[in-house]
Amino acid sequence: DIQMTQSPSSLSASVGDRVTITCQASQDIDNYLNWYQQKPGKAPKLLIYDASNLETGVPSRFSGSGSGTDFTFTISSLQPEDIATYYCQQYDNLPPTFGGGTKVEIK
Amino acid sequence: QVQLVQSGAEVKKPGASVKVSCKASGYTFTSYYMHWVRQAPGQGLEWMGIINPSDGSTNYAQKLQGRVTMTRDTSTSTVYMELSSLRSEDTAVYYCARDDSSGYYGYWGQGTLVTVSS
Repeated sequence: DIQMTQSPSSLSASVGDRVTITCQASQDIDNYLNWYQQKPGKAPKLLIYDASNLETGVPSRFSGSGSGTDFTFTISSLQPEDIATYYCQQYDNLPPTFGGGTKVEIK
Repeated sequence: QVQLVQSGAEVKKPGASVKVSCKASGYTFTSYYMHWVRQAPGQGLEWMGIINPSDGSTNYAQKLQGRVTMTRDTSTSTVYMELSSLRSEDTAVYYCARDDSSGYYGYWGQGTLVTVSS
């Protein structure tokens, strides 16, 4: 199985800050990397698919980049409503695997 | 609009089985694969398996092989996930999620909490 190493596991930032999360795959996954946001008690929500494509309706302050084994997820200007846990997920082959998650809090 | 509506919370004893349903609406049921993902309390997301609603073919996570069964009913646009020989480690929220063609899950059910406790 492909292992997804996500970092940091948690972070605290101020409103308006730029926030960056990284995800590293244990082998080349091309661009088959997705990012989800999960708020407490809710199902995950797709934000970015295929590494850099913004899902319809998702604010443009969210972005993703990378290919191969190294990927980055960025919130350009952190907003209070962005408080959540973020997960990367690879789908280069079965089984799909998720990163361990990054909990984002407001400082 | 696309909706995935799951069955309600369950409490089961160790060794029992549970069957969770996920009713789809708002799209052609047989056109999209469905996955099941679970999340133990305070933990991350774990993929359980996939079902093709068109022909019923499945692929399960290796660690659940022999205990999990995914089925579908095309007449009601519903997929089912049954997990047997339950143990405390199976306590989790179980989600169905539609595969939107590139292995990304654009739509999720609301989740079903399964609690395994004696």
